[in-house]
Amino acid sequence: DAGVTQSPTHLIKTRGQQVTLRCSPKSGHDTVSWYQQALGQGPQFIFQYYEEEERQRGNFPDRFSGHQFPNYSSELNVNALLLGDSALYLCASSPGPGTIEQYFGPGTRLTVT
Amino acid sequence: GENVEQHPSTLSVQEGDSAVIKCTYSDSASNYFPWYKQELGKRPQLIIDIRSNVGEKKDQRIAVTLNKTAKHFSLHITETQPEDSAVYFCAASYSGGGADGLTFGKGTHLIIQP
Repeated sequence: DAGVTQSPTHLIKTRGQQVTLRCSPKSGHDTVSWYQQALGQGPQFIFQYYEEEERQRGNFPDRFSGHQFPNYSSELNVNALLLGDSALYLCASSPGPGTIEQYFGPGTRLTVT
Repeated sequence: GENVEQHPSTLSVQEGDSAVIKCTYSDSASNYFPWYKQELGKRPQLIIDIRSNVGEKKDQRIAVTLNKTAKHFSLHITETQPEDSAVYFCAASYSGGGADGLTFGKGTHLIIQP
């Protein structure tokens, strides 16, 4: 049984560019949450998708947007990249309404130069 | 919004001793408190969680306690082993029936001395 998977593993972008990160949830999970983890910090909640809609959002600017597909996989898009966007981006999935545990993927390490 | 404070930032204990990590939260509506273990370069792993209708939960060498009145919860690891060395994060959220966004503490780097 595959756990949560993310791609790519690492990414280097230039300030001002745009980036798309991808996440496939664990089998049987239909809810996907995205988190940003800066070096030496705890993960910070960006947003959550359920039934292809953004269900909840943390304190992140509109430059951060997302999408969920009918197969429950999800994308995180970041526009107009800033140096401060350099971080590990984690995706977490959960089985859906009535269950609250979240299981994390390995993350995508984004470096903005 | 919710704010989670975690202490200490670094904890060094002798192998076989116990380790305790403490967290406080600000939002009295929070009702779900998970703990994650993150080894260097790896994903956070859910190791134990507790809901607000329970005061204590135990799983082998790991236990979590919750004091709703004081708004704090703690992770207890007994008989520590070298493989317990990692960064531990506490988190809190309000769950109305589904998984909601978690607010994390800044982490505790646990070092097990041989």
